Amino acid sequence: AQSVTQPDIHITVSEGASLELRCNYSYGATPYLFWYVQSPGQGLQLLLKYFSGDTLVQGIKGFEAEFKRSQSSFNLRKPSVHWSDAAEYFCAVGPSKTSYDKVIFGPGTSLSVIP
Amino acid sequence: DTGVSQNPRHKITKRGQNVTFRCDPISEHNRLYWYRQTLGQGPEFLTYFQNEAQLEKSRLLSDRFSAERPKGSFSTLEIQRTEQGDSAMYLCASSDSYNSPLHFGNGTRLTVT
Repeated sequence: AQSVTQPDIHITVSEGASLELRCNYSYGATPYLFWYVQSPGQGLQLLLKYFSGDTLVQGIKGFEAEFKRSQSSFNLRKPSVHWSDAAEYFCAVGPSKTSYDKVIFGPGTSLSVIP
Repeated sequence: DTGVSQNPRHKITKRGQNVTFRCDPISEHNRLYWYRQTLGQGPEFLTYFQNEAQLEKSRLLSDRFSAERPKGSFSTLEIQRTEQGDSAMYLCASSDSYNSPLHFGNGTRLTVT
């Protein structure tokens, strides 16, 4: 069965500092992986996705994520955080082996940015 | 591409009443998902459709919940005999393939009093 864990419930960083949000997954094959962001009162927006190929993927708003098969991880990074990045971040795993698997989400990491 | 549309945006109901939510996916998206999200939590999978076929329903979902997608277009989610624990944001998402990203609607916020 698919599962996603995000070990950090809440992270606080200073504006301009680097950021790494952790995501670990469990899936029987190479999964499709996603990061979504949800700002207060807003819907979920796709930041980036990994399907295959280059394990370092670039997304919107200056975010990137690296797929590491050996660690079953897909951590999200940003070199310099902006105050507008404060939001809830969700990692998700989707099907690759069969079209009958579903997309499931992790519990989320809440990011606070201090001036 | 007009996006995923969900109606109503907010619903307040009394315990024991039935409620129905509607989701209009992006046209020609054959996959449609329903999730439930409570404050501070990630979206919790409820059920999903490929065209008009319901492929899976979460074991966490009681028999009070039912979803339909007639003709593979819009979908409805009905909750019968609502309970206070049903209070949550109900999210709908669609995609054009099993391995494509989901496009989310803005959700329907349900409050059961």
